[in-house]
Amino acid sequence: DTGVSQDPRHKITKRGQNVTFRCDPISEHNRLYWYRQTLGQGPEFLTYFQNEAQLEKSRLLSDRFSAERPKGSFSTLEIQRTEQGDSAMYLCASSSIPGPYNSPLHFGNGTRLTVT
Amino acid sequence: AQKITQTQPGMFVQEKEAVTLDCTYDTSDQSYGLFWYKQPSSGEMIFLIYQGSYDEQNATEGRYSLNFQKARKSANLVISASQLGDSAMYFCAMREPTSGAGSYQLTFGKGTKLSVIP
Repeated sequence: DTGVSQDPRHKITKRGQNVTFRCDPISEHNRLYWYRQTLGQGPEFLTYFQNEAQLEKSRLLSDRFSAERPKGSFSTLEIQRTEQGDSAMYLCASSSIPGPYNSPLHFGNGTRLTVT
Repeated sequence: AQKITQTQPGMFVQEKEAVTLDCTYDTSDQSYGLFWYKQPSSGEMIFLIYQGSYDEQNATEGRYSLNFQKARKSANLVISASQLGDSAMYFCAMREPTSGAGSYQLTFGKGTKLSVIP
C-alpha cells in the first residue's frame, strides 16, 4: 500500500495561467475525490469519481475547473485562467467499496497552489 | 446551518495529559458516520477514528476514543496521554446518505488546532 500520491506538491503560477494537478489513488480503490482547503478551513468537496465516471460535482467547481479519470486509475484536475481566489491546497482522496459508511477516505499530501 | 461545528479554534494540553476536542453535527438522517482526521503541518489528512450512528459502543483506537452522544448530536474526540507529535489540526467530518450519485463524500468542520506543551 503506497498511499495516495499527488503531484506536484507546490505550484506557483501567475493569474490567468492554466495549471494541472495529478492524483494517483491507492491501486485497489475505485472511488476518487477532489477537495479544496483554504487557510483556516476544513476541506471542501469538489468532485467525485467512481472508476472513470465523474458522478458528482460541487457548485464550487466552476466552469474553469475540469477533472478527469480516463482509465479509472489516476486523475487530473485542471484549472484554466487561474484567479487569486484559486490559491488553496488541493487534496485528493480515495476509498474502496463496500462499507461506504465506515470506509474512510485516504488522503494524499495535497498540492498547494499559489496564484500571484 | 453548519453541518459540522468545532467550537475550539485552538487548544493547549500538557504532555501526558488527556484532552477533549469538541464536535457537534447537524443531520436529519438516521444513518450516518462520523470521522476524525489529524492534519500535521505537512498537510496530509490522517484518518484516526470512526463512529457509526447505530454503534452502541463508543469507538476506540489506541489513545483515541470518541465520546458519542447521539441525542445531543455530539462526537467529541478524546486523546489520552498526549504526546508532542499530537500537535496538529484535528477535523471532525460526517458522511450522510446522498441521493442521486451517492458519492459518500465527507463534510468537514473548520478544525481545532491542538498544541501539546512539553
